[in-house]
Amino acid sequence: GQNIDQPTEMTATEGAIVQINCTYQTSGFNGLFWYQQHAGEAPTFLSYNVLDGLEEKGRFSSFLSRSKGYSYLLLKELQMKDSASYLCAVKGTGGFKTIFGAGTRLFVKA
Amino acid sequence: DGGITQSPKYLFRKEGQNVTLSCEQNLNHDAMYWYRQDPGQGLRLIYYSQIVNDFQKGDIAEGYSVSREKKESFPLTVTSAQKNPTAFYLCASSIGVSGRNQPQHFGDGTRLSIL
Repeated sequence: GQNIDQPTEMTATEGAIVQINCTYQTSGFNGLFWYQQHAGEAPTFLSYNVLDGLEEKGRFSSFLSRSKGYSYLLLKELQMKDSASYLCAVKGTGGFKTIFGAGTRLFVKA
Repeated sequence: DGGITQSPKYLFRKEGQNVTLSCEQNLNHDAMYWYRQDPGQGLRLIYYSQIVNDFQKGDIAEGYSVSREKKESFPLTVTSAQKNPTAFYLCASSIGVSGRNQPQHFGDGTRLSIL
């Protein structure tokens, strides 16, 4: 079957670093996406990985290991506005199908 | 500014009633999608469309219908056959369906509840 696993919730302190993990089992692999979603709002695109390694984009970085079916999103210098859900999504074979994880709710405290 | 507009933001349905959720995009995207989001679950694909006048069922199409008569518009009808329609519905679009690194752009969602 196809499955994406992420922790349900995490809490971190303002100014700190947090790593959100994602493991996946899908039919084929055409890339992994991370989205941020604030409560009641639209998900917004953060990052894309298709090759193994680290992609860095400002305070956010995303890592992929295809052999392990594993990715993480690293958020540095946490700000209160980073409190949101973070969705891991994998694009499988066939092109159209993107499987979404349930999301990790991140709480940033002062 | 380009984007995706969903309306209404909140919608209430009576038993046995069909309701239609609107989704319009001005991003000139070919592909459009409808997802359902329930608490504690990932987004689940209801229907998607790669091009005008064509659409395909996703994982949970039963009780839903769509049309794609214009590139900009992809309305979703929740029919009375959908027995558990209470959820947050998200519409999305992307440049193309098969493009590897094309992220999806989402609307702000419609929250549907049963009266």
